[in-house]
Amino acid sequence: QKEVEQNSGPLSVPEGAIASLNCTYSDRGSQSFFWYRQYSGKSPELIMSIYSNGDKEDGRFTAQLNKASQYVSLLIRDSQPSDSATYLCAVNRMNSGGSNYKLTFGKGTLLTVNP
Amino acid sequence: DAGVTQSPTHLIKTRGQQVTLRCSPKSGHDTVSWYQQALGQGPQFIFQYYEEEERQRGNFPDRFSGHQFPNYSSELNVNALLLGDSALYLCASSLRTVRIYGYTFGSGTRLTVV
Repeated sequence: QKEVEQNSGPLSVPEGAIASLNCTYSDRGSQSFFWYRQYSGKSPELIMSIYSNGDKEDGRFTAQLNKASQYVSLLIRDSQPSDSATYLCAVNRMNSGGSNYKLTFGKGTLLTVNP
Repeated sequence: DAGVTQSPTHLIKTRGQQVTLRCSPKSGHDTVSWYQQALGQGPQFIFQYYEEEERQRGNFPDRFSGHQFPNYSSELNVNALLLGDSALYLCASSLRTVRIYGYTFGSGTRLTVV
């Protein structure tokens, strides 16, 4: 089982629709969860972070976390063509000493928003 | 406030050669992590440096080595380059004890091995 798995995609949605991106993780010790956006040829850009079960909203973006199901999702409302990118799910497990552990990424889901 | 700076941006090397990539972390960050991202894949963790020591390492051979300097900047060295080492190499910085902001990535170094 891969440590972090994302829906394979690619995902195509019309402009104005809701895009739903999903991610599951295998390590129950994971504590922090992130969504990064990566445009082609560019580096990942952090767009959302979530640590507690439930929803977290930031503008058009909503991250959802369910630790019991080991599931993280990202909803993008009112999708725009500029949202077209690869979305990477990442999980962070901090060790008992409190120092940052490695951030583990999924393969990414390519989202295309059609005008 | 400068973000994460990586150099060079692009590099072409021949098989068997050695390469050094450089990274300056975001101001205030003390931890540097290196990732390799092959085309169409998510970033893969290479190793992490804090207090000038390698703290964690991913599943990469010993040909990959690194260093962190007292000013927190870091180098990634790859020896005996293989064609399969062609990838985007990303440096990410963070503050060791603060998880809230995640990692900040540099723009990356595109390495092509021919």
